[in-house]
Amino acid sequence: LAKTTQPISMDSYEGQEVNITCSHNNIATNDYITWYQQFPSQGPRFIIQGYKTKVTNEVASLFIPADRKSSTLSLPRVSLSDTAVYYCLVGDKARGNNDMRFGAGTRLTVKP
Amino acid sequence: NAGVTQTPKFQVLKTGQSMTLQCAQDMNHEYMSWYRQDPGMGLRLIHYSVGAGITDQGEVPNGYNVSRSTTEDFPLRLLSAAPSQTSVYFCASSYWSGSGMGDTQYFGPGTRLTVL
Repeated sequence: LAKTTQPISMDSYEGQEVNITCSHNNIATNDYITWYQQFPSQGPRFIIQGYKTKVTNEVASLFIPADRKSSTLSLPRVSLSDTAVYYCLVGDKARGNNDMRFGAGTRLTVKP
Repeated sequence: NAGVTQTPKFQVLKTGQSMTLQCAQDMNHEYMSWYRQDPGMGLRLIHYSVGAGITDQGEVPNGYNVSRSTTEDFPLRLLSAAPSQTSVYFCASSYWSGSGMGDTQYFGPGTRLTVL
C-alpha cells in the first residue's frame, strides 16, 4: 500500500492561492493520485485525480513531478467556503479501493 | 439522480443490540463500500463489494457483516453493538473498471451511530 504524508493543518486568507503537498515515496507504477474534500458532517467529495504532470479542472489543479513521489493540490483564490479537510489517496483501482487509504488529511482553515 | 443515500441519519443503540445501516445508489455502480470515521481521523474501510454477490473485507471488518444481493443496495449489519463502534459511517460507490484506472468514489451523507 502506498503510504501518504500530508501536513496536519494549514491556514490561509481569502483570495490567496493554497498549495497542499502530499508525499508518497513508494508509489507504484499503476497508482493514481486522487484528492478528496470533506466538509464537517458530510461525506468526502472528489476534487481531482491525476497520474503524471499537471491536471486542471474547474475547482483545482494537481501538480505531479516526474518521479511521482509527491503531488501538490493547488486551490486558486480560496474563499471561506474552502475551509475543509483535504485527503490525498494513492492507489490502483485494479487492486481494489481497499488498496487506498484515507489518512488524517490536511485541515485547511481560510480566514477573512 | 439521488446519488448515494443512507438511512438512518442518526441512531442510538444499547450495547448488544443489532441493527442494519442501509445504503443505496442509483448510478449503476458496480463498486460499493462502507467506511467508518472516528473523531479527528480519516476514513477506514470496513467492507467492500465489486458487484452483486461479491463482498470482501477491508481494513476494520470485525463486528460487521455485509451482503450485496442487488447492484443498488449494500446494507451494513452490526451483529452485537459495542461502544467502540460509536462512529460516523459512510457508504460510497464507484464504477469498477478493473484495470489501470484510478478511483472516484461518490459518498453518501453518513449515519451517526452512538452505542451506549
